[in-house]
This record gives sequence, structure tokens and C-alpha cells, in this order.
Amino acid sequence: QKEVEQNSGPLSVPEGAIASLNCTYSDRGSQSFFWYRQYSGKSPELIMSIYSNGDKEDGRFTAQLNKASQYVSLLIRDSQPSDSATYLCAVNLSRGGNNRLAFGKGNQVVVIP
Amino acid sequence: EAGVTQFPSHSVIEKGQTVTLRCDPISGHDNLYWYRRVMGKEIKFLLHFVKESKQDESGMPNNRFLAERTGGTYSTLKVQPAELEDSGVYFCASSQAGNQPQHFGDGTRLSIL
Repeated sequence: QKEVEQNSGPLSVPEGAIASLNCTYSDRGSQSFFWYRQYSGKSPELIMSIYSNGDKEDGRFTAQLNKASQYVSLLIRDSQPSDSATYLCAVNLSRGGNNRLAFGKGNQVVVIP
Repeated sequence: EAGVTQFPSHSVIEKGQTVTLRCDPISGHDNLYWYRRVMGKEIKFLLHFVKESKQDESGMPNNRFLAERTGGTYSTLKVQPAELEDSGVYFCASSQAGNQPQHFGDGTRLSIL
């Protein structure tokens, strides 16, 4: 079983619509969860962090966390062409003071004008 | 504030040669991480420094890889001798504290011929 799974293929959404991305993780002890956005050839850019169950909103982005179901999601409202990128789900596997991120393979989002 | 910088951005070498990658973390960040993404796979953790000490090197693939962080500032990752399977994008990240979000550099694209 993979540590972090993002199973959806490329996602095409019309401009102005909501893009929904999902992620599951295997380690029940994980406490910190992140969404990164990556444009081609660029660094993963942190866009959201979430640490407790429920929703967290930041501008047009909403992250949702359900630790019981081991599930993290990201909603992008009013999608813009500039949101076209690969979105990476990352989970901090914090054990014994060590902190390393486990990543999913990423979801490519294409916003169609 | 300058972000995480990595050098070179791209390196092409022949199998059996040596390559050294460099990472300059965000100023003041004690925690420095190396990750790698090989073609078609997710980003994978390599190792974690706290200042000049290796906190976790469980992700290092083999003894051909040597990471150093003398003085607790910049870090180098040396691959010697390089093999074909070492090709990929090597990312460096840093964080202020171990459980804080990690900020990534643009990566070094390493191609082994």
C-alpha cells in the first residue's frame, strides 16, 4: 500500500468552475498535511497546510481533512487558467523526531478558458 | 527573502562520472531535506539535516550517494559513480522547525547517459 495516493487522472475544468482533488494516506499517526502546486520545471509551491479535522479556507482554496477516513482533499473555487498545474498531496510522516514528507504522484489540472 | 536555491539547474553526465549538487536553504532554516523524483514516480525523500547533523538518511538509495552540510548552511549531494537509474530531478527543501511546512527549490534535473 502506498503511503499517499492520488488516483485521479488529469482533471479538466472550465474557467470559473470548482476543481476537486482527493488524496488518501496510509499512516494513521500522520498529523500534518500539505497541498503543493507545481508548474512545469518549477519548484513545488506550498498552497495549503492542514493539521486538524474539518475545513480550512484560504482565498479560493479549501482543504478538507478527515483523519478517521485518512482522507485529504483540495477544492479550488472559481478556477482560473493560472491554476493549471500539477497538484501534489504531501503527508508529514513524523516519527521519533524525524520529519519527512511522503508525496502522491500528483494530479494535473487544466483550466479551460 | 530569498527562497531555496539549487545549483546547477540541469546536469548531464556519463555513467561512471561524479556529480555534485548544491542547495542553499532559506536563511535561518535549520532543517534541510533532499528529495528525488524519477520519471513517472512520486517525489521520494532522501535525507534530512538538522543544522550540520544527519537526522534521517533512511531514504538514501545506496552508498554512491553522499550528502554533507558542513557548518550547517548550504548542503551538497554527491553521486559517485553515477548510474543510469540515478537520472531524475533532485529537490532540496528547508523548514524553520522540523514540523513546519517545507519550502522547495526548483530542483536539479540530472541526466545520466
